[in-house]
Amino acid sequence: RKEVEQDPGPFNVPEGATVAFNCTYSNSASQSFFWYRQDCRKEPKLLMSVYSSGNEDGRFTAQLNRASQYISLLIRDSKLSDSATYLCVVNSRTGRRALTFGSGTRLQVQP
Amino acid sequence: DAGVIQSPRHEVTEMGQEVTLRCKPISGHDYLFWYRQTMMRGLELLIYFNNNVPIDDSGMPEDRFSAKMPNASFSTLKIQPSEPRDSAVYFCASNPAGANTEAFFGQGTRLTVV
Repeated sequence: RKEVEQDPGPFNVPEGATVAFNCTYSNSASQSFFWYRQDCRKEPKLLMSVYSSGNEDGRFTAQLNRASQYISLLIRDSKLSDSATYLCVVNSRTGRRALTFGSGTRLQVQP
Repeated sequence: DAGVIQSPRHEVTEMGQEVTLRCKPISGHDYLFWYRQTMMRGLELLIYFNNNVPIDDSGMPEDRFSAKMPNASFSTLKIQPSEPRDSAVYFCASNPAGANTEAFFGQGTRLTVV
């Protein structure tokens, strides 16, 4: 089983739609959680960190459920520029220090 | 700051040749990571360094792969001999010390082994 699992998509949505991505992680020792965004043929870049109480950044809302080992990302009022691959990322404070990436969920926002 | 700098951006080589990928991390970052990305396997960690010391190389596929970090501002990933299945995008990333810190990626090296 992969450490971080995501639905690969693609998710094809019209402009203005609300779309949600989910992610599960297997290591209960994971302490830090992130969503990264990767545009086609580009490097991954941090979209937002995910905090235990949930957090919002404009149109983006991230939620964490430690009991279920589940992370979500909600995008409201989708824009064409939101088209990208969204990577769920976890970091275990114990043991290996590096970020572990999910395979990503591809989003295509259509006019 | 210029960010993480990788070279070359693209590399095409013949099977059996040696390939060296280079990375300059962001100044002051204590951690450096090498990742490989393919369609089939996504982003996989190969190795990471803390203060120039290799900490975890369990992701290095086999003995053909080696990585060094001779100083805080430079790292190399070498493949010798290269094989077609090594074709991928190789990313270098760095971040400062701390458990909840963002990793900054270079633009990657797209390697094609023919």
